[in-house]
Parts: sequence; structure tokens; C-alpha cells
Amino acid sequence: DADVTQTPRNRITKTGKRIMLECSQTKGHDRMYWYRQDPGLGLRLIYYSFDVKDINKGEISDGYSVSRQAQAKFSLSLESAIPNQTALYFCATSDPRAGNQPQHFGDGTRLSIL
Amino acid sequence: QKEVEQDPGPLSVPEGAIVSLNCTYSNSAFQYFMWYRQYSRKGPELLMYTYSSGNKEDGRFTAQVDKSSKYISLFIRDSQPSDSATYLCAMGLTGAGSYQLTFGKGTKLSVIP
Repeated sequence: DADVTQTPRNRITKTGKRIMLECSQTKGHDRMYWYRQDPGLGLRLIYYSFDVKDINKGEISDGYSVSRQAQAKFSLSLESAIPNQTALYFCATSDPRAGNQPQHFGDGTRLSIL
Repeated sequence: QKEVEQDPGPLSVPEGAIVSLNCTYSNSAFQYFMWYRQYSRKGPELLMYTYSSGNKEDGRFTAQVDKSSKYISLFIRDSQPSDSATYLCAMGLTGAGSYQLTFGKGTKLSVIP
């Protein structure tokens, strides 16, 4: 089984719909992250959580919210999806004892908003 | 000027060649520097990270950081077709109540057998 699992892997939905992307990890890491990846823009941080009670906005948090349900679970929600949120979304984890960078990524959720 | 600049390529080399991938940055406050490899339809995979100027070697990979020039490089020796992927540089800093990690846009590498 993958260390970082994202569901769904692909999703097509309509403008205005509420969407939740889920991430679960078996690494036992306290730190979790949500990124989006767009062609020509690279990876950008949406939200990060350094432990279950800690949630922080990243550089592009507008239009998104997150929930850290447990150490192993970190979900990303789009309350009212819009087409420019079409992107590839990645969840990641890190162990601060090994550095401050995200170390383990899931394989992504490809989200298309029509 | 963007905070992190990385030539998107594509870069195509013959098998066995030495590959040099580079990024420049503008924020002198960056404290740590990473290289990730991303295969098609996969998440990024951490290859190398370092906190200081100089070279760090791991097998066929060498990461080089020059803080005075704000320039980082990844060298791949004896390149293999399995090295064909997109390589992302990233730089970060952590302070009291703050965390920033900025990625380059990635360089697509193809190693031709």
C-alpha cells in the first residue's frame, strides 16, 4: 500500500459544486500539506498542518478549506468550485526530524471543473 | 523577478551523459534547498536536500548550492533512461510562525538509449 493515499484520483465536476479531496498517510508524520500543480506555474502551497491542532494558510488558500481529522488524515475542500481551480492536487507529509521539506507525496488528484 | 527560476527544457541527452540542471533564486533568506524528481502521473519524489553551500553527493546525484550567487544545481552522472522525468528544485525557510517553500516550474529531462 502507498504511504500517502489520495482519493479520488480523478474527478470531473461542475462549477458551483462542493468537492472534497481526501488524503491519508501511514507514515506516522505529524506534518501534512496540500499543493496544487498547474502547467507553467509549478507546485504551490494551499494549506499546511504541523499537527492535528495546527492549520495554516499557504500562498493560495482563497477558495479552499481544510480539515485535519486525525494525524493520518487531511482533507481539502472546495466550497464552490470554479473553473480556474482545475489542476492537479497533491498531498504530502514530512517528518521534521528529517528536515522542513515535504518528503512523501501522494500520486495526486486530477480535478477538472467544467 | 520571480523568486525561483528554472529552465523548463525539455532537455534531451544520450544515455551515459552527465546532466546538469539548474535553478536561480532571488530570496537570500532561503535556508534549505531541495531537488525532487517527478515521473509522469506520479507525485514528486524527494531526491536531495541540503542546508549549506557546497556539494552533497548521493550515488550518481550531486547537489550543489552557491548561496553567494543564489544558484543551485543538480548533476546526474552516467544518466540512464530511467532518469527521464521532470526535475523540480525547491527552496524553503522556516521562522517563528512562518513557513515558506517555493518550487521551480520543473525541467523535463529525456535520456535517450
